[in-house]
Amino acid sequence: GAVVSQHPSWVICKSGTSVKIECRSLDFQATTMFWYRQFPKQSLMLMATSNEGSKATYEQGVEKDKFLINHASLTLSTLTVTSAHPEDSSFYICSAHPPGENTEAFFGQGTRLTVV
Amino acid sequence: DAKTTQPNSMESNEEEPVHLPCNHSTISGTDYIHWYRQLPSQGPEYVIHGLTSNVNNRMASLAIAEDRKSSTLILHRATLRDAAVYYCILSGDSWGKLQFGAGTQVVVTP
Repeated sequence: GAVVSQHPSWVICKSGTSVKIECRSLDFQATTMFWYRQFPKQSLMLMATSNEGSKATYEQGVEKDKFLINHASLTLSTLTVTSAHPEDSSFYICSAHPPGENTEAFFGQGTRLTVV
Repeated sequence: DAKTTQPNSMESNEEEPVHLPCNHSTISGTDYIHWYRQLPSQGPEYVIHGLTSNVNNRMASLAIAEDRKSSTLILHRATLRDAAVYYCILSGDSWGKLQFGAGTQVVVTP
């Protein structure tokens, strides 16, 4: 089946630094990808829609200048957490679905970010 | 987006069927009903989806009420690997854009 891969699986960074997370669709092209965040014992929260070749669309309450999204190709979207702080520590997950009607979404394995 | 309501948790014995209910009384005519599940520390995994008719696949069955205001995910024979949080989600107006609710934690006991 189709695969969506995230890198890295986990990262630890210092407060104030920036971290980039990659999301790749390995065997299909995706004009749209989605980024989610999940805090411990909570559900996934949609952060933004990543659009290939154009600006991302952010959900209400998500700071676009803090969470930079770039979707430069049909198989790669990146999420950069800028000036990270401990409260940004979370599990970040991306998803994409193959072209065509009513296709299922495939999720990456997630990236555990810890800001110290 | 229309919301869904699910029980917080359900428990089942191994090799027994599991019926997971989901209420979606404000569903619109074009909303698909999706089910995903998430194991600890992993990304969600697709289970099944449908619009009006009942659906079957190798993982589960989806029974959709005639008025579409509720649905039930059926795991025919629960295994320990089925222990996960199961999310019932309506598709909304943008395919692939999924708004997750709290889901149902399924516990499977040997």
